[in-house]
Amino acid sequence: DTGVSQDPRHKITKRGQNVTFRCDPISEHNRLYWYRQTLGQGPEFLTYFQNEAQLEKSRLLSDRFSAERPKGSFSTLEIQRTEQGDSAMYLCASSWTGDTEAFFGQGTRLTVV
Amino acid sequence: DQQVKQNSPSLSVQEGRISILNCDYTNSMFDYFLWYKKYPAEGPTFLISISSIKDKNEDGRFTVFLNKSAKHLSLHIVPSQPGDSAVYFCAASGGKNFGNEKLTFGTGTRLTIIP
Repeated sequence: DTGVSQDPRHKITKRGQNVTFRCDPISEHNRLYWYRQTLGQGPEFLTYFQNEAQLEKSRLLSDRFSAERPKGSFSTLEIQRTEQGDSAMYLCASSWTGDTEAFFGQGTRLTVV
Repeated sequence: DQQVKQNSPSLSVQEGRISILNCDYTNSMFDYFLWYKKYPAEGPTFLISISSIKDKNEDGRFTVFLNKSAKHLSLHIVPSQPGDSAVYFCAASGGKNFGNEKLTFGTGTRLTIIP
């Protein structure tokens, strides 16, 4: 197992375009989290899945953001009509029920120009 | 509302000496605390954790201390090594109280070990 994998590592997009990121968690982990990190800040929670069910969404996750985890395996995070304020590092993490330690992927750095 | 605070943005320590990183929290519902280490262009890497029922946890060169009454925790690294140079994030979770294990992070402390 190579850990949590995220794709792409970098994405540059024009304002108004849609983007989609993918996360492959550690295979035996049933919990998956998305976080966003901006410059000078720590990661901020966006949303959380247990298996295929999305159980919590942060108020940071506007209507332009949607996340899915079909079949409880990989997850996608889509941002529609991107804005410059969406520029950030998007981090995915996974864990097993009962374990608080979450393992992070390398992140997808989004730049909106 | 910053529920987890790391008030020192940066810290420089001589190689071989002790590094002490501090973290304060405000939410008494947090019951588990973690430290992550982050290198540039990489995701955070889990380092060490502590449950609220303990006041100390050790793992090799790393020790985390928790003072619940003061809502304060610290990470001690001894002896410090050049490879320890990174940004360190304090994180807190209230899994049993909140129903999930989402993490609330501080803003990080950049540790530089001087050879």
